[in-house]
Amino acid sequence: DGGITQSPKYLFRKEGQNVTLSCEQNLNHDAMYWYRQDPGQGLRLIYYSQIVNDFQKGDIAEGYSVSREKKESFPLTVTSAQKNPTAFYLCASSILPGTDTQYFGPGTRLTVL
Amino acid sequence: EDKVVQSPLSLVVHEGDTVTLNCSYEVTNFRSLLWYKQEKKAPTFLFMLTSSGIEKKSGRLSSILDKKELFSILNITATQTGDSAVYLCAVQWGGGADGLTFGKGTHLIIQP
Repeated sequence: DGGITQSPKYLFRKEGQNVTLSCEQNLNHDAMYWYRQDPGQGLRLIYYSQIVNDFQKGDIAEGYSVSREKKESFPLTVTSAQKNPTAFYLCASSILPGTDTQYFGPGTRLTVL
Repeated sequence: EDKVVQSPLSLVVHEGDTVTLNCSYEVTNFRSLLWYKQEKKAPTFLFMLTSSGIEKKSGRLSSILDKKELFSILNITATQTGDSAVYLCAVQWGGGADGLTFGKGTHLIIQP
């Protein structure tokens, strides 16, 4: 089955720690995205990548970092510099950059204790 | 396994037509259903529905939720070419820690 997987489903971390969220896709999509969703708000774009070894900041990139060493993988690191990291994080991919159909993963719920 | 199913997957209509998009769901501990409009960037939030039978409206768009039959519809009247987009349905679920499951979307094309 083709799709996007994110792990872990739930993640807890202590303040001051960095944590990395995994996102893998086997859809052979070029573009991948990371979003954050907070209660009562829509999705906000953190980072996106149009091609391997390239990525751009989204609207709320501060306190986050990404890498795109392989086409199928786009991990997101939430650093200790992120002031309010508790949120639901969604990864998505699309066939080509800028196409309007994005496929979403199941998400990771991060809670900072 | 939690599921959100949207139909149709794609739809082509003429300007001025009325369209109805469907979303059915099977999730544990349902909390709310959300509709998004997605163009060439991040999805734009449209509606959040938590109660059955209460219609939410915004201009030409409206949506309603049926928690007994586990579905929602999104209506767009007097469609315009700017309504062309992918419409995503997502369901928020869970007890203490919530999750969000998206459907695959309906690709709507409005022809002049």
